[in-house]
Amino acid sequence: GAVVSQHPSRVICKSGTSVKIECRSLDFQATTMFWYRQFPKKSLMLMATSNEGSKATYEQGVEKDKFLINHASLTLSTLTVTSAHPEDSSFYICSARDPGPPNPDTQYFGPGTRLTVL
Amino acid sequence: GDSVTQMEGPVTLSEEAFLTINCTYTATGYPSLFWYVQYPGEGLQLLLKATKADDKGSNKGFEATYRKETTSFHLEKGSVQVSDSAVYFCALNSLSSASKIIFGSGTRLSIRP
Repeated sequence: GAVVSQHPSRVICKSGTSVKIECRSLDFQATTMFWYRQFPKKSLMLMATSNEGSKATYEQGVEKDKFLINHASLTLSTLTVTSAHPEDSSFYICSARDPGPPNPDTQYFGPGTRLTVL
Repeated sequence: GDSVTQMEGPVTLSEEAFLTINCTYTATGYPSLFWYVQYPGEGLQLLLKATKADDKGSNKGFEATYRKETTSFHLEKGSVQVSDSAVYFCALNSLSSASKIIFGSGTRLSIRP
């Protein structure tokens, strides 16, 4: 099946620094990728939809200047948490939609990145 | 807007017990329905899906049937194993919101040996 990777899997940073998380579709081209945030023992919250070659679409309440998303190629999207603070500590998960057959509406999820801001 | 409601956890069962995790949805039209599983320390994996009414999705002994009349997609397994311990998310593909996936709150399942 389709594979999506994320890097890094775990990152610890100091408050005020910026952190970049990469999401790659390894065996398919993804025109659309999604970024989610998962709080402990909670469901996934969609943060933004990333479209290759255009600006990301952010969900209500998500600061676009805080969470910078770039989808520069059909296999790579990046999420940069700028000026991170402890409240940004969370599990960030990306997914990618494979537009090809046989399941064009299925999203494939990355393994997630655990961010801890000290 | 579209939403998914699933039973609160945690659910604790003994090995070989029968499992049901309830899921109901509210949506415009007839969305695709999914169950995702998240094993400890890992990302989400698609467990099964159904794309239209009366479809049954199945995988690894798990089954769920798309019931339009009751707007439900309950997950069942006849005999659970310790390795099934995970968090299970019911989800739908929202037709009214640019095909975003809407997740339920997740149900943590623990299986005792």
